[in-house]
Amino acid sequence: SQQGEEDPQALSIQEGENATMNCSYKTSINNLQWYRQNSGRGLVHLILIRSNEREKHSGRLRVTLDTSKKSSSLLITASRAADTASYFCATDRLSEKLVFGKGMKLTVNP
Amino acid sequence: GAVVSQHPSWVICKSGTSVKIECRSLDFQATTMFWYRQFPKQSLMLMATSNEGSKATYEQGVEKDKFLINHASLTLSTLTVTSAHPEDSSFYICSAPPEAGYGYTFGSGTRLTVV
Repeated sequence: SQQGEEDPQALSIQEGENATMNCSYKTSINNLQWYRQNSGRGLVHLILIRSNEREKHSGRLRVTLDTSKKSSSLLITASRAADTASYFCATDRLSEKLVFGKGMKLTVNP
Repeated sequence: GAVVSQHPSWVICKSGTSVKIECRSLDFQATTMFWYRQFPKQSLMLMATSNEGSKATYEQGVEKDKFLINHASLTLSTLTVTSAHPEDSSFYICSAPPEAGYGYTFGSGTRLTVV
């Protein structure tokens, strides 16, 4: 299966709740990145976590990385309707192509 | 930050015609540009990597003669879908490599519909 599998594939929550998305990968990585894509638009880079980092924060985003389990999670706190989008994790091996997961569609209901 | 401008944002063409998609790096020089294809509700799949001054590198299964990639300058990379067919209808996105500490920069994408 494709490296970078997000879990769950779709998530629907109420505004104000937290949203957690998980991603697993198979090979060693240089870094792992999370991207957001609004319907029919390009990707927006959210956050990058390097292989030697375990946790990173950016505003309402919190990313964790467990290289022993080859997994990462993205937590969006206090979600807003504007957070509705698809979210992708992508792994970057040094000097190699960026490999995307299948994506997870988040719907935040007002 | 780095900006990649992609045009057109959408295009409808007839079967058998060719379509050119452009990606320009606006405030930086990109010696490399990645081209992805995304089918509805699916993830991005890398098609090829364009390199300024040399031939593009294509991923396995991507037809080189159908998807012509040219990296004309340090700020312009183009993807031409030749003799387009309905199955080529997809969302095409370009991306420039990351600058230190940040992720890749993506164009806004091109929705191609072949009728």
